[in-house]
Amino acid sequence: SQTIHQWPATLVQPVGSPLSLECTVEGTSNPNLYWYRQAAGRGLQLLFYSVGIGQISSEVPQNLSASRPQDRQFILSSKKLLLSDSGFYLCAWSLAGPIYNEQFFGPGTRLTVL
Amino acid sequence: EDQVTQSPEALRLQEGESSSLNCSYTVSGLRGLFWYRQDPGKGPEFLFTLYSAGEEKEKERLKATLTKKESFLHITAPKPEDSATYLCAVQERSGGYQKVTFGIGTKLQVIP
Repeated sequence: SQTIHQWPATLVQPVGSPLSLECTVEGTSNPNLYWYRQAAGRGLQLLFYSVGIGQISSEVPQNLSASRPQDRQFILSSKKLLLSDSGFYLCAWSLAGPIYNEQFFGPGTRLTVL
Repeated sequence: EDQVTQSPEALRLQEGESSSLNCSYTVSGLRGLFWYRQDPGKGPEFLFTLYSAGEEKEKERLKATLTKKESFLHITAPKPEDSATYLCAVQERSGGYQKVTFGIGTKLQVIP
């Protein structure tokens, strides 16, 4: 069966510090991968998605970036965090291909920027 | 602009009191509608996918239905462990990527 991991689970960072969140998927090959941010009272906001190694699409312009160095690894980064970057970050995967597939989410990372 | 609206925002039920959650959507060409359950501090857990009007899916006390404009999540005789936020999401094709738009969710509380 497939599993998805995210770490760290929680993170408290000062404004202006760098960020690296990691997501890995097990039990599937060539998945589509996604990064979302969930703020209180708001729906999930798609930040990035990837259909393959090195292929990243950005949905929202911001000071965050994403990379996919391996097939089942997805990394969310920032060089300098802003207060507005605080939130709950979720990684998700779906099967690749032309059919329309549900997304499966990881446990999330709670980021607080002070 | 594509929209997904869930109502009510919050719902409080007595244990055993059945009810329905609503998800209305406006997308150009629905490809799929998804329901998720999210517990506090955790990632959403996938429940159902519905693809066409008239389709129904069931899982334990939950039943999801779909029309051309909306979906309902019916909860029959809920238990306290059904307390969670229920998210609806719709999928449409946007270029080569199947764009998914999420609603804000309905926070359900079931009182013993």
